[in-house]
Amino acid sequence: AQKVTQAQTEISVVEKEDVTLDCVYETRDTTYYLFWYKQPPSGELVFLIRRNSFDEQNEISGRYSWNFQKSTSSFNFTITASQVVDSAVYFCALSRSGNTPLVFGKGTRLSVIA
Amino acid sequence: DTGVSQDPRHKITKRGQNVTFRCDPISEHNRLYWYRQTLGQGPEFLTYFQNEAQLEKSRLLSDRFSAERPKGSFSTLEIQRTEQGDSAMYLCASSFLDSGNTIYFGEGSWLTVV
Repeated sequence: AQKVTQAQTEISVVEKEDVTLDCVYETRDTTYYLFWYKQPPSGELVFLIRRNSFDEQNEISGRYSWNFQKSTSSFNFTITASQVVDSAVYFCALSRSGNTPLVFGKGTRLSVIA
Repeated sequence: DTGVSQDPRHKITKRGQNVTFRCDPISEHNRLYWYRQTLGQGPEFLTYFQNEAQLEKSRLLSDRFSAERPKGSFSTLEIQRTEQGDSAMYLCASSFLDSGNTIYFGEGSWLTVV
């Protein structure tokens, strides 16, 4: 069975601080995909990144970066110089292929205080 | 390119009534998914379609729930004899069939059963 654990339920930081959101996954598949989604108060899940299991290269996109480590089954997400607009619930998710049903973690609520 | 569209966005209904939600996926996306999300939890998979064929149903989808995608375009999710435990946000998502493609979500339909 597949499982995603986001141990941090809520995080609060002051604007401009860096923050890392943790994600640990379990799967018996050798091929799988990992995702991060952002859910602002409006409710829509906004896609942030997809990473397949064969690509362990870390990725940076502006203030966002992702650290994928197969050895520890982790796919952590770091926001550098956080802003108030980053306040949202962030979900990590796992799937067998890029578009089979996703298994989500319970999410981490990030509050960035001005 | 418009995103995934869901209607209605909010629905309040009395226990025992039937409700129906509609989802219009991104144009040309042949996979369509339904998820349910309750407060403080991550989205949980309900069912998904490839074109008009329903490929998988979760154990969460009791016999009071039925989903259709008759022409392989829009989809409906009907809940019969609603119960208070059905109160949740119902999320629709779509993707193009390709192992590397990402699932994109709509803004969700909030259901409150009173």
